Amino acid sequence: QARLVESGGGVVQPGRSLRLSCAVSGFTFSSYALHWVRQAPGKGLEWVAVISFDGSNVHYADSVRGRFTISRDNSKNTLHLQINSLRVEDTAVYFCTRDKSAVPPYYYGMGVWGQGTTVTVSS
Amino acid sequence: SYVLTQPPSVSEAPGQTARITCGGNNIGRRSLHWYQQKTGQAPVLVVKGDSGRPSGIPDRFSGSNSGNTATLTITRLEAGDEADYYCQVWDSDSDQVVFGGGTKLTVL
Repeated sequence: QARLVESGGGVVQPGRSLRLSCAVSGFTFSSYALHWVRQAPGKGLEWVAVISFDGSNVHYADSVRGRFTISRDNSKNTLHLQINSLRVEDTAVYFCTRDKSAVPPYYYGMGVWGQGTTVTVSS
Repeated sequence: SYVLTQPPSVSEAPGQTARITCGGNNIGRRSLHWYQQKTGQAPVLVVKGDSGRPSGIPDRFSGSNSGNTATLTITRLEAGDEADYYCQVWDSDSDQVVFGGGTKLTVL
């Protein structure tokens, strides 16, 4: 059974950095593209970034490009999201999700989701 | 960038049919997906590729997509269908995933 487990969230001061991780089990990690999606308190889903099966192709939402870096370690079945220069508006639950595709275009939806890790940016 | 528009809320009685719309420019040309998110839980894919049903999703959930509007239809409504529903596409022009703003379904 496919499983995604996020970690690394917490309470962080504005301007600091944070690295989120997503540990994967139950499927061939290196065969799928993976996304990060976030949800601010009481708000809707906001897509953050996607990385192709081999890490060679990445795309970001306009709102995070330049501050966020998505990466993956196929030898450790782990996805990462490096968040720099944290802002109050980055406060959200961050979900990692599995796409049905390996490379873009990502036409087939996100069929597996983790339970999320909470990032709170506050002074 | 591409925009998907959903009504903020939809309400229907148990046993009835709920229809949730998702509007976008020529959305019928795109592959559209629907997610259900219950309070405090992660989203679940309920319709993929306009009208496909992932394994384990009841046949009460169906989708259509044409012109400028996609529709998620849920028949024989149950209390357990109360949730937020989001539509989503891949925008090849910007190489980004786009979500609709979400619709809160209330089963009265």
